[in-house]
Parts: sequence; C-alpha cells; structure tokens
Amino acid sequence: DGGITQSPKYLFRKEGQNVTLSCEQNLNHDAMYWYRQDPGQGLRLIYYSQIVNDFQKGDIAEGYSVSREKKESFPLTVTSAQKNPTAFYLCASPGDNTGELFFGEGSRLTVL
Amino acid sequence: QKEVEQNSGPLSVPEGAIASLNCTYSDRGSQSFFWYRQYSGKSPELIMSIYSNGDKEDGRFTAQLNKASQYVSLLIRDSQPSDSATYLCAVNSFLIKAAGNKLTFGGGTRVLVKP
Repeated sequence: DGGITQSPKYLFRKEGQNVTLSCEQNLNHDAMYWYRQDPGQGLRLIYYSQIVNDFQKGDIAEGYSVSREKKESFPLTVTSAQKNPTAFYLCASPGDNTGELFFGEGSRLTVL
Repeated sequence: QKEVEQNSGPLSVPEGAIASLNCTYSDRGSQSFFWYRQYSGKSPELIMSIYSNGDKEDGRFTAQLNKASQYVSLLIRDSQPSDSATYLCAVNSFLIKAAGNKLTFGGGTRVLVKP
C-alpha cells in the first residue's frame, strides 16, 4: 500500500546527542514536510521540501537539519542545539491538487 | 502571524448527541479549510475539507464555512464513543497542491463522548 513510513516510533536520547528520524514515502509525491507537535498544541512546521535537492526552513527550524537526496526520503536530524527536543514528530506529504496532508505514524522523541 | 484558534476543551457530549466544534482564523485570504481527527498517540487523519461558504456533509460530519466571519465549524451527529479524539482545524492560504508550507493548524479541541 502507498503511504508514509516513519521510524523509529519511539526514541530516547541523552542530552547532547544528535538523532535522526527517518521518513520514507512511496506516494511519488514531490513535496514532504516535517512537523513538531507538543501536548495540547497544534502542529508546527520545522522544514519542508518541494522537490529533490531543495528544502526550506519552516517556522521552528533552529536545532534541526534535513536532507532531500532522494524523492522518497526526507530524514530529520534533531541536533544537540535543539534545547527542548522532547515532542511528537510527524512527517507529511500533500495530496495532488488539494491542501490535504497525508501523515506518517509519527515518531515520539524523549530526551532523558 | 497567521493564527487559527480553537477551544481546547474537553468538549463532553453524551452518546447520540451532536458535538459542535468551532475554529476561527485570522488570515482573511485563506482559501481551503480542513478538519483532522487525531486519536491519542496517533497521527492526524483528514475527515473533512471545505473550500466555499456554506455547509458540506459527509456521513455524520458536517463542515460549515463562513469566510466573512472567518470561522469554520464541524458538527458530529449521533456522536459515538469512537469519536472521542482531538480535532484539529487547519487553514491553508492556497488551493494549489504542494502548499503544505502555508497550512496553519489550530491547537485542537478534545472531544469526549460518554456512553
């Protein structure tokens, strides 16, 4: 089935460590996005990519990095510079001709 | 700063009743509007989209849009315990594809349907 796959679902990190969250899609979509969700809050855009080899900062990009070397893949690295990384991270891709977003299952990152 | 506002709830409704959720937005130029349902610990899933003023019905769900007053609402008829979730309102400045970077989410309304 077509969809967006995120891994890992749960991740624990020690302070000072970088971690990378994986996002893979087989929808043949050009655009991919990363959101962060904190309890009781809406989704906030971290980074987005409209096409391979191009990406742009979203509203809260500080402390994060991404790459888009393949159409199918858009990994997110949470660096040690991100001061409050504990959150639920969602990868998404928009459907054709609409603003609808298709989401992966999410990755929950906890800093110990 | 474009904003989308929702009452965080919880909105408690008895089983079989109508749940009414409201969302207001600040960008008068907004073009497309979405309601996502999110179960605890899960990712959001789209349940309704609406693009023009008026009502749009899909099963037990009805979305209502009033661009002049800048609000969009969601009605859930015959509420079931399985409707207990957080409902996110999302507003997009564009109608075109690949415009997720212009999508602004509200904080969500938690709905509890009691048997």
